[in-house]
This record gives sequence, C-alpha cells and structure tokens, in this order.
Amino acid sequence: GQQVQQSPTSLVLQEGENAELQCNFSTSLNSMQWFYQRPGGSLVSVFYNPSGTKQSGRLTSTTVIKERRSSLHISSSQITDSGTYLCAMERAGGYKVVFGSGTRLLVSP
Amino acid sequence: DAGVTQTPRHEVAEKGQTIILKCEPVSGHNDLFWYRQTKIQGLELLSYFRSKSLMEDGGAFKDRFKAEMLNSSFSTLKIQPTEPKDSAVYLCASSAGGNTLYFGEGSRLIVV
Repeated sequence: GQQVQQSPTSLVLQEGENAELQCNFSTSLNSMQWFYQRPGGSLVSVFYNPSGTKQSGRLTSTTVIKERRSSLHISSSQITDSGTYLCAMERAGGYKVVFGSGTRLLVSP
Repeated sequence: DAGVTQTPRHEVAEKGQTIILKCEPVSGHNDLFWYRQTKIQGLELLSYFRSKSLMEDGGAFKDRFKAEMLNSSFSTLKIQPTEPKDSAVYLCASSAGGNTLYFGEGSRLIVV
C-alpha cells in the first residue's frame, strides 16, 4: 500500500484564502519534508521538518512524528502559490526518502 | 554555490537504444537519489546511494535500469534497452544525510 498519503489531491482557492494540506504516513519515520513544484519545474524544498512547527513567511508546517502526520498551512494565498506541493518522509532505519502523490493547488484571482 | 546538475536536460531516443543520464550532486553531500516522475505514477525511487554504496536498487526497476556512482561527485543512470513506457522526467537529488533534499532540474526523456 501507499506509504505516504496526501490530501486533498487538488485544491482551488481564490486569492487571499487559506489552505491546509495534509500528509499521513503508514510507517515509522525519522523525518519529513515538504516540497513545491511549479508545472514543468523541479522540486524545491519548502520545509525540512523533523518535528514541531516551523514557519516561513505565509507558510507554516507542523509535524507530529508519533502520530505520523504533517500539515502545511498557506495563509493569504497568492496566485504565485499555484503548483504542486509534495510531502516526503525519511523512513525509519535509514535515509530512504519516499514521496506522496502531491496536492495540486490553483489560486485564482 | 553549485546545486545538483543533471545532463542532458532533454533526450529523445528510439525504442531499444541505450541512454545514459548524468548527475553531479551538491559538493560534500553523501546521499544521492535517482527518481522517475510521471503524471500517473508520481515520483518513484529508482536508486539510492550512501557514500557511493548502493543502498536501494528500486526493486521493479532492476531489470533495465542501472545506476552507478564511481566517485562521490558523479553518478549515472543507464537505461538499456529503452522502451516507450520509460518516457518520463528523471530527477537526481542529493542530501547531507538526514537533511534537506536538493533536486536537479531533471532530464526529460522521450522514447519513440
């Protein structure tokens, strides 16, 4: 089965609305990361978040390792936030990184 | 500060050809990953090296895919022979071990 599950699979927002993206893991993990990918572009790390809460501008990530979940909150969304957000986990016992299927976000004017 | 460098950026191959994709990780990084990305399957791990040792060979991808890391600053992914279903973006990433993963721009492969 899928080790990393992301929800929702897609999301459409109006500019200025907030978004909450979820990531759940089926196995034990050492850490997790959030990535952003523009259509046709490569992946850029947004957060490396082993545990707890991290904030960068309008983005906030919260990871609860014991509960095997992480969330990414985007406040006051902007059109330039559109793209795909992927979460990935480092499996316990090594540094192998496994990805979820991503959340496609579209922010419209 | 050089990030992860991948070449070629684009490749068109005929079915049955041998393709070699190249990756230079961030200097000093010990972990190197090869992923394949398609719209249907998303990101799939092909290979994972730690300090040049192959730790993960990608299971289902063993048949025609072979990744090598002859030195700490260079890795190759060979696909032999190529098939149309191999059309995808191949991404290389590196990290300092248990830390942020840095991706290259990818190599877009089309097999006709």
